[in-house]
Amino acid sequence: GAVVSQHPSRVICKSGTSVKIECRSLDFQATTMFWYRQFPKQSLMLMATSNEGSKATYEQGVEKDKFLINHASLTLSTLTVTSAHPEDSSFYICSAIRPQGRRTEAFFGQGTRLTVV
Amino acid sequence: DAKTTQPNSMESNEEEPVHLPCNHSTISGTDYIHWYRQLPSQGPEYVIHGLTSNVNNRMASLAIAEDRKSSTLILHRATLRDAAVYYCILGQGGSEKLVFGKGTKLTVNP
Repeated sequence: GAVVSQHPSRVICKSGTSVKIECRSLDFQATTMFWYRQFPKQSLMLMATSNEGSKATYEQGVEKDKFLINHASLTLSTLTVTSAHPEDSSFYICSAIRPQGRRTEAFFGQGTRLTVV
Repeated sequence: DAKTTQPNSMESNEEEPVHLPCNHSTISGTDYIHWYRQLPSQGPEYVIHGLTSNVNNRMASLAIAEDRKSSTLILHRATLRDAAVYYCILGQGGSEKLVFGKGTKLTVNP
């Protein structure tokens, strides 16, 4: 099956610093990727849609200046958490979309555990 | 986004079948029914999807009601590795913007 890889899988950073998370589709090209955030014992919350070659579309309530998304190639999207604070500590997950016949199929990364201290 | 309703939790015994229900009374004619599952500290994993007809794959079966307002994911023989949160999601074919609900936490007892 298709593989989507996230890096790093875990990161600890100091409050006020920025952290970049990468999402790669390893064996297919993805014009669209999605970024989710998941707090403990809660469901995934969609943050934004990442489109190759254009600006990301953010869900309501998600600060675009705080969560910078870049989708510079068909296999890579990055999420940068700027000026991170402890409340940004969460599990961040990406999905990449692969065309599959008449419909598309979503493949998820393994997630990145961010801890801000 | 069309919403789904699932029980918060279910329990099963190992090697027994499990039927996970999902209600989606506001489903539109073009909505696919997707099922994903998530093991602890991992990203979601695709299980199965369908539109109108029942579907089978190596992981599970999906039974879709005739009016499409509900569906049931069937694990034919639960194993300990099937313990996970199972999400039933409606999505437009051609746009996999998946909005997750709370899902059903499945516990499998040895």
